[in-house]
Amino acid sequence: KAGVTQTPRYLIKTRGQQVTLSCSPISGHRSVSWYQQTPGQGLQFLFEYFSETQRNKGNFPGRFSGRQFSNSRSEMNVSTLELGDSALYLCASSSDPGTGGGYTFGSGTRLTVV
Amino acid sequence: QQQVKQSPQSLIVQKGGISIINCAYENTAFDYFPWYQQFPGKGPALLIAIRPDVSEKKEGRFTISFNKSAKQFSLHIMDSQPGDSATYFCAASKRSGGSYIPTFGRGTSLIVHP
Repeated sequence: KAGVTQTPRYLIKTRGQQVTLSCSPISGHRSVSWYQQTPGQGLQFLFEYFSETQRNKGNFPGRFSGRQFSNSRSEMNVSTLELGDSALYLCASSSDPGTGGGYTFGSGTRLTVV
Repeated sequence: QQQVKQSPQSLIVQKGGISIINCAYENTAFDYFPWYQQFPGKGPALLIAIRPDVSEKKEGRFTISFNKSAKQFSLHIMDSQPGDSATYFCAASKRSGGSYIPTFGRGTSLIVHP
């Protein structure tokens, strides 16, 4: 069974640009969550999508947005990039997020903003 | 405001020893407590989890101890092995919009010397 696939693995962008990251969840998983991981702030929740609807949102500015498609694949977009957006962005999928467990993470996209 | 406090930040243990990582939370709405293990270049992987209606859960060499009144929980790794060297994250989850959303601790870097 294929795991959670995130593309690209590495990305370098210039301050002020925008970026789109992609996540393909495990087949059958309808919930996709996004996290930002940095050495200073740790793992922080960005948002969660379930059946194409954003169900939860963390405390990030509106420059961070996402969407989920009918096949459960998800994209995350960051506009007007800032140096502080440099981080590992992780996607996690779950077949049943209402039970608490079952989140499977991808290996992440390492974004560097210069 | 750090909702989940994790300690120590780093831990060095000899092979065969016991590794202990502690976490504390404040929000009593949390009712699911998973631990994740992360190796370099990989996303976090669910290791073991507990609900507050039990005080201890054991899976192989990994044990979670939970103290509901003190709002503390800990991970014990018995007979620690070099392959256990990784970063460990505790999390506290609460239901929101039909999903459990985890709040992570800052992580503990564990090194097990052979």
